[in-house]
Amino acid sequence: LAKTTQPISMDSYEGQEVNITCSHNNIATNDYITWYQQFPSQGPRFIIQGYKTKVTNEVASLFIPADRKSSTLSLPRVSLSDTAVYYCLVGDVTGGFKTIFGAGTRLFVKA
Amino acid sequence: GAVVSQHPSRVICKSGTSVKIECRSLDFQATTMFWYRQFPKQSLMLMATSNEGSKATYEQGVEKDKFLINHASLTLSTLTVTSAHPEDSSFYICSAYTDEKLFFGSGTQLSVL
Repeated sequence: LAKTTQPISMDSYEGQEVNITCSHNNIATNDYITWYQQFPSQGPRFIIQGYKTKVTNEVASLFIPADRKSSTLSLPRVSLSDTAVYYCLVGDVTGGFKTIFGAGTRLFVKA
Repeated sequence: GAVVSQHPSRVICKSGTSVKIECRSLDFQATTMFWYRQFPKQSLMLMATSNEGSKATYEQGVEKDKFLINHASLTLSTLTVTSAHPEDSSFYICSAYTDEKLFFGSGTQLSVL
């Protein structure tokens, strides 16, 4: 299982773009990268998933370089409600991989 | 997205009693579900993998006789915390895969008095 490393915390202001990077140096060929958001006393919520290059959906973008040893979650124009913990998970989703969570990144958005 | 329903959302019990937590996949079938526990300000810790029709696989350090897991159908897994003690107080979360994505339940806050 690929180990992930993220910054422990980040601060931002409303309206700014936030980029959170995750390192996963031992990512395997079949592994996908998935990001989750978690609010206090709630289960994690799926944000975005990708394998390589760039993926974009209605809430975020995911940038994955060619070597796939890292990935960056980009949140455009954050608001106070984006204050949460963000987790990067790496694994073979086609095989239903066992999920090991890293420490995650606590994002605090200020007014 | 898919829905994983977890019940109850909060439970308070006396020390020594057993508590059952249910995890249901509402709009898909899940042969595998996962159970986690989370302490305040900490990350999720995987406790066990629940397999439909077979025994659960527990992570190292997790007492299988303490945390009983039953996955009797393709849409339901249960976690029973037996003879609960205050140190078992935690936030318990389940998850299941569908469409190559992992979806989580809303969690159960267990408080043992």
